[in-house]
Parts: sequence; C-alpha cells; structure tokens
Amino acid sequence: NAGVTQTPKFQVLKTGQSMTLQCAQDMNHEYMSWYRQDPGMGLRLIHYSVGAGITDQGEVPNGYNVSRSTTEDFPLRLLSAAPSQTSVYFCAAHRDATGAFFGQGTRLTVV
Amino acid sequence: TQLLEQSPQFLSIQEGENLTVYCNSSSVFSSLQWYRQEPGEGPVLLVTVVTGGEVKKLKRLTFQFGDARKDSSLHITAAQPGDTGLYLCAGEGGGNEKLTFGTGTRLTIIP
Repeated sequence: NAGVTQTPKFQVLKTGQSMTLQCAQDMNHEYMSWYRQDPGMGLRLIHYSVGAGITDQGEVPNGYNVSRSTTEDFPLRLLSAAPSQTSVYFCAAHRDATGAFFGQGTRLTVV
Repeated sequence: TQLLEQSPQFLSIQEGENLTVYCNSSSVFSSLQWYRQEPGEGPVLLVTVVTGGEVKKLKRLTFQFGDARKDSSLHITAAQPGDTGLYLCAGEGGGNEKLTFGTGTRLTIIP
C-alpha cells in the first residue's frame, strides 16, 4: 500500500517554463489537495478536489491549474513558472474527519 | 478564509519538561487534526478530534478540542528529543471539506 505518491521529488525550472507535478493515491479517498510550504508559512492550500470531476480553489491558486479525471490522480500544473513559485509542494488525500495522508513532497526551484 | 493561529511559533525546552501548544481560530470546525512534520518529509497525522470538549491521549501527548470547536491544544508531558519537529494543527469543516492548516509550532527538545 503506497498511500500518496508524488513525482518528481526535486525539480529546477527556468522562469516561464511549464510543468506538471504528479500525485497519485491508492486509498480510494474522496478528497485530494495540493499545498505549498514556504519557510515560516505553514501549509497553504492551492487547489482541492472533493471527487472526480470536481475541483475548487484554495488560498493561493494563481498560476496553478488542476484536474481530477479519476479518484486516484490529481496533477498540479504550473502554467508559466515564476521565482515566487519556488517552494515545497505537498499532495494529500483524505476522507471526512479521518486525517490526511501526505506525499513525500516536491521541492521546486524556479530560476 | 478560515485562519488557524498557533502559539508559540517556536519553542525550545529541556528534555523532561512539559509543554503546551495552542491552536486558535474564530471559525468553527467539524474536526481538528494535529500533525508532526520532520525535515524533508510530509506531515504525519497524530490525532483527529471531532467532538467539542473531546480529550484524546496518545502516550505522553494529550489533545483537547475546545467546547465551541474553534480551538485546540496539544500538551506533551516529559518531552523527549524524539518529540522535536514542526507541529501543525488543521481544521476541517465549514461545509466545503477543505483542510486548513495552522501556522505551525517548531519544537526543539534539548537533551
């Protein structure tokens, strides 16, 4: 049982490049979320999904797109990378009141 | 926007001492969770509390959910170096299934 798997673990992008962070879960949890974590900022919600075909914006959605075509997968797309998007990104899956399971994170640097 | 404020932001104490970390909000949550995060890893769930006034114990850790379901506390008895880490509270609810994280408390236990 892998839980939540994120790829890649590390990535360096040039300003203006686009890329997709992958997230997959094998726990059949309805809810999936993407967070970014910056030093001293805790976790900030980017986008979340309550089920296949349904997504909504979180606290800091600008510059990011998501889709949820299946229960298992929830990719995060950076449309045109900016240095301000340098951060550690975490994907999580959860059900009501049961707690979230997180991936190992993707450390992204935009130069 | 549901905000969760944690205090203190940083805490450094000697091994064997007791400590309490607080998580406060003006919003009501259907459940509140506590996580611990170690460097380079994703947050790991410690506990979920769902009932106002609920108290849960996990070995030397005691978690309490406020009667009004707006705040929570984490008390550690006889702290050990293995307790070192970033402690995060997270609230779920408001009818949108979002999981909102607090600002975090970085705990260091000195041997």
